[in-house]
Amino acid sequence: SQQGEEDPQALSIQEGENATMNCSYKTSINNLQWYRQNSGRGLVHLILIRSNEREKHSGRLRVTLDTSKKSSSLLITASRAADTASYFCATAFSEGGKLIFGQGTELSVKP
Amino acid sequence: GAVVSQHPSRVICKSGTSVKIECRSLDFQATTMFWYRQFPKQSLMLMATSNEGSKATYEQGVEKDKFLINHASLTLSTLTVTSAHPEDSSFYICSAPHRGGGSDTQYFGPGTRLTVL
Repeated sequence: SQQGEEDPQALSIQEGENATMNCSYKTSINNLQWYRQNSGRGLVHLILIRSNEREKHSGRLRVTLDTSKKSSSLLITASRAADTASYFCATAFSEGGKLIFGQGTELSVKP
Repeated sequence: GAVVSQHPSRVICKSGTSVKIECRSLDFQATTMFWYRQFPKQSLMLMATSNEGSKATYEQGVEKDKFLINHASLTLSTLTVTSAHPEDSSFYICSAPHRGGGSDTQYFGPGTRLTVL
């Protein structure tokens, strides 16, 4: 079953612009994670934010979490063509437990 | 960092045959592993939780007799798709949690693309 919804489903931007993706979920969580997947390939873990955290940064990535609204956002700043991929949020009910994935956002960054 | 491998990376089989997919944690032990399925242009759907030394836990709607899971050791879980049919064609991905940096991070295998003719 899917826990989350992501929007937009697809996003096309120019290199250098910022990309924002949103994720909403339905139930209480332990943590929320963002992953990246290049076409037909495995997943790459980007960032984990715990339910008691509100914001986290990693390089050009910024993740926010609003547990009252049950939503999270991923911001990629100064995007590059190499950022073109599908991005998924995933929620976990316990640390190290199973992940329930959102529908994903397909990001295309044009050079 | 922690590495999870899958074998084979790609398999093509005839309808009615069984296919075994292996998931290995290469440099850490995993008492639990997870199996996901991903159809083209869709998200990952959790199929089951593989537990070392005990029965797997299947998600609702996943047939346990069709998707046999065996967690034979602390580094190996196998998923066998029995009597495969074309609708089972999909990308199968496993993951295993590993504690590092103060948190349990899921490490994903590279996936196995199954095509059933």
